[in-house]
Amino acid sequence: EDQVTQSPEALRLQEGESSSLNCSYTVSGLRGLFWYRQDPGKGPEFLFTLYSAGEEKEKERLKATLTKKESFLHITAPKPEDSATYLCAVQALIIQGAQKLVFGQGTRLTINP
Amino acid sequence: EAQVTQNPRYLITVTGKKLTVTCSQNMNHEYMSWYRQDPGLGLRQIYYSMNVEVTDKGDVPEGYKVSRKEKRNFPLILESPSPNQTSLYFCASSFESWGTEAFFGQGTRLTVV
Repeated sequence: EDQVTQSPEALRLQEGESSSLNCSYTVSGLRGLFWYRQDPGKGPEFLFTLYSAGEEKEKERLKATLTKKESFLHITAPKPEDSATYLCAVQALIIQGAQKLVFGQGTRLTINP
Repeated sequence: EAQVTQNPRYLITVTGKKLTVTCSQNMNHEYMSWYRQDPGLGLRQIYYSMNVEVTDKGDVPEGYKVSRKEKRNFPLILESPSPNQTSLYFCASSFESWGTEAFFGQGTRLTVV
């Protein structure tokens, strides 16, 4: 069964304190791993897509990496505005030509000033 | 502005009263889907559509219907809502079925009493 597990569930950091969020997955035939950011009361907002092990993507203070079994979202010197829930999702095959996103539970990140 | 628009944003209804949540995207995307988000369960796919007149069930389709008569619109229909359908609903669209990020609407918070 396709599964995505994120850890920790919640993380509280001080401004400037770097850390990493983890996303481990089991899926038959990974076609893409996505990171989204979700603010309270809003829809998920796309951050990154990773397609193959060893790939890395960066955006401002965020860097996503991918191995064969997990992905990390590294946050360097975070600011309070980085506070949000970060969602990881993998594309899983339903039937030929059709896919679905399987989401993890998310990591709720709080950055204290 | 590229966006996915859902309406209404908030809805309180009574058990058994049919309702429709509309979803429209202005990006000419082929693929659209509906998710519900519940605490502890994350985002789960309800229905998806690969193109006009092509729809299929996701993980939690019971009690829901959809239609895709036009490329831009993908309404979610609850014929006889029940309290266990109280949830936060998101519509999403993407250019293709595979490998492209999904754009999410702002969400519809539905309460069934």
